[in-house]
Amino acid sequence: DIVMTQSPLSLPVTPGEPASISCRSSQSLLNTNGYNYLDWYLQKPGQSPRLLIFLNSIRASGVPDRFSGSGSGTDFTLNISKVEAGDVGVYYCMQALQTPRTFGPGTKVDIK
Amino acid sequence: EVQLLESGGGVVQPGGSLRVSCAASGFSFRNYDMKWVRQAPGKGLEWVSGISDNGAMTNYADSVKGRFTISRDNSKSTLYLQMNSLSADDTAVYYCAKGRGSSFPLGVGMDVWGQGTTVTVSS
Repeated sequence: DIVMTQSPLSLPVTPGEPASISCRSSQSLLNTNGYNYLDWYLQKPGQSPRLLIFLNSIRASGVPDRFSGSGSGTDFTLNISKVEAGDVGVYYCMQALQTPRTFGPGTKVDIK
Repeated sequence: EVQLLESGGGVVQPGGSLRVSCAASGFSFRNYDMKWVRQAPGKGLEWVSGISDNGAMTNYADSVKGRFTISRDNSKSTLYLQMNSLSADDTAVYYCAKGRGSSFPLGVGMDVWGQGTTVTVSS
């Protein structure tokens, strides 16, 4: 199985400042079609998860352009250009290349 | 409005069985891959199973393979998860999620999630 790791696991942020979460996979997520099969999800407190980014860098419908995904192969990053108070929650990366799908342990983002 | 509504959760004894359902509305259910994802109390997300748009292809996490069966009824726009030989490790909130397309087995994001149904395995 592909093992997903994230860092940091806890991220205190200041509104208006940028934030960055790293995600690494134990195997390359780059498919022969040129796409990296890596998703990002946000689970706000008490809510179901929400898709933020798919195929490494494509924002899902309705996701603000403050959120961006980058990377390739085994190293990926979710960037938030200017954090807002409503961005708090747990961020998960998930590989969508192989079965079983595997999630990272999550990064808990809260306000300083 | 695009919506997924899970049901069927509850308390079941170890070794028992339970079937959870997910009713879809607001989109053409038959055109999309579907998934089950679970979350144990205080823990992270765990992918459980996926099924292709026509139901012909399925896949499972190793932890549930041979015990759980995913299925769908496109005429009823409903997804199912039959869970057998349940143990305490299966205690979790079970979410159904809609794939963005019909790219099974590859995934291009789960863009709609239900509110979840809670399964508790306890004597």
